[in-house]
Amino acid sequence: DVKVTQSSRYLVKRTGEKVFLECVQDMDHENMFWYRQDPGLGLRLIYFSYDVKMKEKGDIPEGYSVSREKKERFSLILESASTNQTSMYLCASSFQGGSIEQFFGPGTRLTVL
Amino acid sequence: GQQLNQSPQSMFIQEGEDVSMNCTSSSIFNTWLWYKQDPGEGPVLLIALYKAGELTSNGRLTAQFGITRKDSFLNISASIPSDVGIYFCAGQLEDTDKLIFGTGTRLQVFP
Repeated sequence: DVKVTQSSRYLVKRTGEKVFLECVQDMDHENMFWYRQDPGLGLRLIYFSYDVKMKEKGDIPEGYSVSREKKERFSLILESASTNQTSMYLCASSFQGGSIEQFFGPGTRLTVL
Repeated sequence: GQQLNQSPQSMFIQEGEDVSMNCTSSSIFNTWLWYKQDPGEGPVLLIALYKAGELTSNGRLTAQFGITRKDSFLNISASIPSDVGIYFCAGQLEDTDKLIFGTGTRLQVFP
């Protein structure tokens, strides 16, 4: 059974803290993605990666960075969390060069106070 | 960026009723995906469509890839309480490998 896991379901941080969100997939997928989901705005792509050590900016990369040191793991980093980064964060993965289908993790609901 | 218009935004229906929702755009798509998201969970893929005019079913769910390649439709027949959730369309733009997501249709089913 395909699986994407995220390190935390709920997270509460303070403004200015450095925040790490971890995502791990066990499907040997090349592609991994980070989205944020806000009411009325749908899913917006923050960063994605097509290979280890490779990263590409999505539509809203400001205030975020990512790290992909291993194929199965993709980390999203908030260098200095701000209240407008309170959101649901979703990680997804997919095969490269084949189907576009993305498989999602359960999400991390981050609250920045 | 590109936009996918998904409608309706929300639906409140009685158990047993059929449901229809759609996604439209001014852009052409190669692939359409339909996801369901339960409260507090990540989206789960329901149906994938790869060809204009394609009609695909998954149990009580049926989705269609529009002939113009600019829209897609999802129907749920004989709704049940566990159909509650948010349904998202996602389209792969022509000549890209980028997925664009609709804003979702929130479905409530009353017994």
